[in-house]
Order: sequence, then structure tokens, then C-alpha cells
Amino acid sequence: EIVLTQSPGTLSLSPGERATLSCRASQSVTSSYLAWYQQKPGQAPRLLIYGASNRATGIPDRFSGSGSGTDFTLTISRLEPEDFAVYYCQQYGSSPPTFGQGTKVQIK
Amino acid sequence: QVQLQQWGAGLCKPSETLSLTCAVYGGSFSGYYWSWIRQSPGKGLEWIGEINYSGSTSYNPSLKSRVTISVDTSKNQFSLKVSSVTAADTAVYYCARARGAVARWFDPWGQGTLVTVSS
Repeated sequence: EIVLTQSPGTLSLSPGERATLSCRASQSVTSSYLAWYQQKPGQAPRLLIYGASNRATGIPDRFSGSGSGTDFTLTISRLEPEDFAVYYCQQYGSSPPTFGQGTKVQIK
Repeated sequence: QVQLQQWGAGLCKPSETLSLTCAVYGGSFSGYYWSWIRQSPGKGLEWIGEINYSGSTSYNPSLKSRVTISVDTSKNQFSLKVSSVTAADTAVYYCARARGAVARWFDPWGQGTLVTVSS
């Protein structure tokens, strides 16, 4: 199965700053079949991005995804207070689908 | 807008069978796959398996021998059973709608059910 490694583990930033989160796969992800999720305490994950760069319905345009092959990035252009959360990447190019271990974005 | 609501026992004894059900409200039930995913501090997010309207299933090889996912199309519900549970099966279990051609991405998710395995 494909192992996803996210970095950094924790990102300490201030509101208004730019966040750049990385997701690296142990082998190439077919057709850029990579998704990103946001999870807040006590809540289920919420889909942000699918197909590496497609925003899900209702997701603000400050969230963007990029990458291909084994290296993918989630960028939050200007952090809003509600964006402080844990972010997970997930590949669905091969079965079983697998998730990264998460990056926590916390207030500096 | 599709919503998923899940329920089941929150406490399970070792060696017993964990059982959860997820109901789908709004939207199409027949046009999608439906998945179970769990989250634990030790293993993070882990895909358990999926089922579609016609009952076709796929399971994570790591759990396949102990997992059964079934569907009740008359109620737009699907269910999860995990047998011979141990403390390692303690986790928050989520149901989710699954989309994608090869493997799946998940949207939306149910609210989650914490299942604790303890005697």
C-alpha cells in the first residue's frame, strides 16, 4: 500500500499568514488521485480538495492544492481563525486508500 | 444535501463483535459507494471497507478476515461488523460516502462513533 508522509507535523502561524503543507507518497499516485481534509476537534474530517487541485463544494478559494507524482502541497493563502485545525492528505489512486498522519496548524 | 447519521454500541468486550449502522438521508443512495473509516491515536485514519447499492464489497486486506459490510437498500442504510475485537480496535468509527474510479475519496462523513473495547 502507498504510505503518505506529511510535513511538518505542526505549523505555528498567525492569522493572515500563508500556510504550506506537504504530502509525500512512497510511490507515484495514479492520475493525481489525492485529496485533502480538514479536521477540527470533536468533528469528522471535511473534504477540501480532490484530484490534487479541485476544491470541493463550498470550500473558500484561499485553499488550493497542487502537485503530482509523489509530491503534493496544500496552500492556505491567508489563514482565517477558523482554519486552525489538523489537515490530512489521502491517496485514492490504488487500493487500499491511505491517509497521511496529519499536519496540525496552530496559532502562533 | 446528503447527510449521514450513524449509531451503534460504544462499548464492546474483547473477542466480541462490534456493530455499527449508518443511515443516508437526501441525495442518491444507489449511485455511490459507501465506506467505513476509523481513527485511532495509534494508527491514524484507516479505511476499513466499502459497499455499493448492489452489495458489492471491498475490504482493507489488514482487516478483511474480521470485517463484514452489508447494505439495506429499503432503508438507505449500510452496516459494519468487526468480529473478534481487541483493544487495538478501539477507535472513532466513521461512515462516509465514497467517490472515485479506482479507490475512493470521502465526502461527506458521518458524525463518528467512539467504540471502546474493554472488559
